Amino acid sequence: LAKTTQPISMDSYEGQEVNITCSHNNIATNDYITWYQQFPSQGPRFIIQGYKTKVTNEVASLFIPADRKSSTLSLPRVSLSDTAVYYCLVGDGTGGFKTIFGAGTRLFVKA
Amino acid sequence: IAGITQAPTSQILAAGRRMTLRCTQDMRHNAMYWYRQDLGLGLRLIHYSNTAGTTGKGEVPDGYSVSRANTDDFPLTLASAVPSQTSVYFCASSDGENTEAFFGQGTRLTVV
Repeated sequence: LAKTTQPISMDSYEGQEVNITCSHNNIATNDYITWYQQFPSQGPRFIIQGYKTKVTNEVASLFIPADRKSSTLSLPRVSLSDTAVYYCLVGDGTGGFKTIFGAGTRLFVKA
Repeated sequence: IAGITQAPTSQILAAGRRMTLRCTQDMRHNAMYWYRQDLGLGLRLIHYSNTAGTTGKGEVPDGYSVSRANTDDFPLTLASAVPSQTSVYFCASSDGENTEAFFGQGTRLTVV
């Protein structure tokens, strides 16, 4: 199973861009990289998914270098409501449906 | 659209009692999952099911069992609850490998 490593916590201010990097040295060829967001007392919510290079949607961008051993979630112009825990996941290396969460990164956005 | 529905929302359970947490999805997803989340920690996979009729063990399966009789339902059973099973339990579903997973709102279980 591909294990992920993320910073435990990060602080930011409203209006800033936030970049959260995740290391996944043992990522398998067929693994995708997926990021989830979790607010207190709620289940995680999908943010973005990618396989290589760059993916962008309405809420975030995901940057993946050529070796795919890391990825960076970029949140443009964060607001107070972006305070949450962000999880980086890679697919089960066996190709199965198991989804393994790490401890996540706790982002605090200050006014 | 309901998505994932979990029941109950919360429960206080005496140690040694049997408890089934219910999970139903209306998205016709093949895969379903049960996670537990302890205070301040990430989610840990308990059991999963790739498709109706099949189940598999996750990271922390001991003390829990699941069944997948049909596509929509994936109940989690604690045969004899212990205090260390106090946690928030999340059910999720996805359409398969490398696709978005949808989570329920969780069941907060306290075993005393």
